[in-house]
Amino acid sequence: AQSVAQPEDQVNVAEGNPLTVKCTYSVSGNPYLFWYVQYPNRGLQFLLKYITGDNLVKGSYGFEAEFNKSQTSFHLKKPSALVSDSALYFCAVRPMDTGRRALTFGSGTRLQVQP
Amino acid sequence: DAGVTQSPTHLIKTRGQHVTLRCSPISGHKSVSWYQQVLGQGPQFIFQYYEKEERGRGNFPDRFSARQFPNYSSELNVNALLLGDSALYLCASSFTTPGSPEAFFGQGTRLTVV
Repeated sequence: AQSVAQPEDQVNVAEGNPLTVKCTYSVSGNPYLFWYVQYPNRGLQFLLKYITGDNLVKGSYGFEAEFNKSQTSFHLKKPSALVSDSALYFCAVRPMDTGRRALTFGSGTRLQVQP
Repeated sequence: DAGVTQSPTHLIKTRGQHVTLRCSPISGHKSVSWYQQVLGQGPQFIFQYYEKEERGRGNFPDRFSARQFPNYSSELNVNALLLGDSALYLCASSFTTPGSPEAFFGQGTRLTVV
């Protein structure tokens, strides 16, 4: 069985400062890893994915994520936060080596960027 | 390009009733999945369909069922609604190529059971 842990319910950061949202995962075999963002009363918006290759992946809106296989982590980062980045962020995983496409999500981290 | 579209956006039902939720995938996507998101939690996988066949099912009771049509659109049906079925129901579509594993989500259907 696969699982995702997002240890922080909320992350607070000042605008212009770097941000990190943490994610660790457990999966059999190699993982596909994803970050999604959710704004109030909306669906999930895809930010970025890790498939293979470079451990640092770049995504939408200046976000990037660092894959660390030994620590089974996939932390979301941004060098300079914007107030408009305030939203709910979800990390998700699914195994690469099966035909099943079911995503397992973390519980979410609320990012609050203060002006 | 149109994204994943879901209908209706909001729905209020009474306990014991039946509900049907609908989803149209992104053009070219043949895989559709359904998720339930209870307030304050991450989405939970319900079903995955590919080429009109069920390819995966989450830990949900038999009151939940789904199907996929020849045009790849999908319906989620829930019978004998319970108060605990109140949630945001999300549909996602995706390609089935290894290089494009990401799923794209619709805006969801907010179901309230009273």
